[in-house]
Amino acid sequence: SQQGEEDPQALSIQEGENATMNCSYKTSINNLQWYRQNSGRGLVHLILIRSNEREKHSGRLRVTLDTSKKSSSLLITASRAADTASYFCATLRAGTALIFGKGTTLSVSS
Amino acid sequence: SAVISQKPSRDICQRGTSLTIQCQVDSQVTMMFWYRQQPGQSLTLIATANQGSEATYESGFVIDKFPISRPNLTFSTLTVSNMSPEDSSIYLCSVLGRANTEAFFGQGTRLTVV
Repeated sequence: SQQGEEDPQALSIQEGENATMNCSYKTSINNLQWYRQNSGRGLVHLILIRSNEREKHSGRLRVTLDTSKKSSSLLITASRAADTASYFCATLRAGTALIFGKGTTLSVSS
Repeated sequence: SAVISQKPSRDICQRGTSLTIQCQVDSQVTMMFWYRQQPGQSLTLIATANQGSEATYESGFVIDKFPISRPNLTFSTLTVSNMSPEDSSIYLCSVLGRANTEAFFGQGTRLTVV
């Protein structure tokens, strides 16, 4: 089962531009996490934002969380070709397994 | 952090056969998770494997089709049984880190059923 929806499903931008991906979820959460997947391989954890936080930064990543709207956004600033990947939000179900959103496929061209 | 070794990394199998995927973690963990990722899709949780008890399967997944073993706290296997082309997917094992703030993944098994 998928926890949330992401939009857009696909995003194509030029190097140097910013990329924004959105995620909505259905249940109450303790935290929301973002992951990146390159070429259908294992996922890599990018950033976690807790339910009592509204915004968090890590390098070129900025994550926001709106618990009233049950939504989050991931902003990648100054995109690089190496940022080309699929990005997924995920929430922890009842303290156990991570449930993933549908994901956004980002393509950054040079 | 946790390092997960998953094998095989890929396989092409005949329909009707079975494939067992192995997942080895470099530390002891209570729960291990198996996901399926169909082409172009997100990850769907298949089951949670606990040591010493039967795996807990998600809706739409059954033990006869996806038997799971968890003989100790660092190892698990997932078998895809009686395969059909619809089982062609990437299968990933995962564990949660400390305080459940991060998940770690194996590199996945890309399965093609012909």
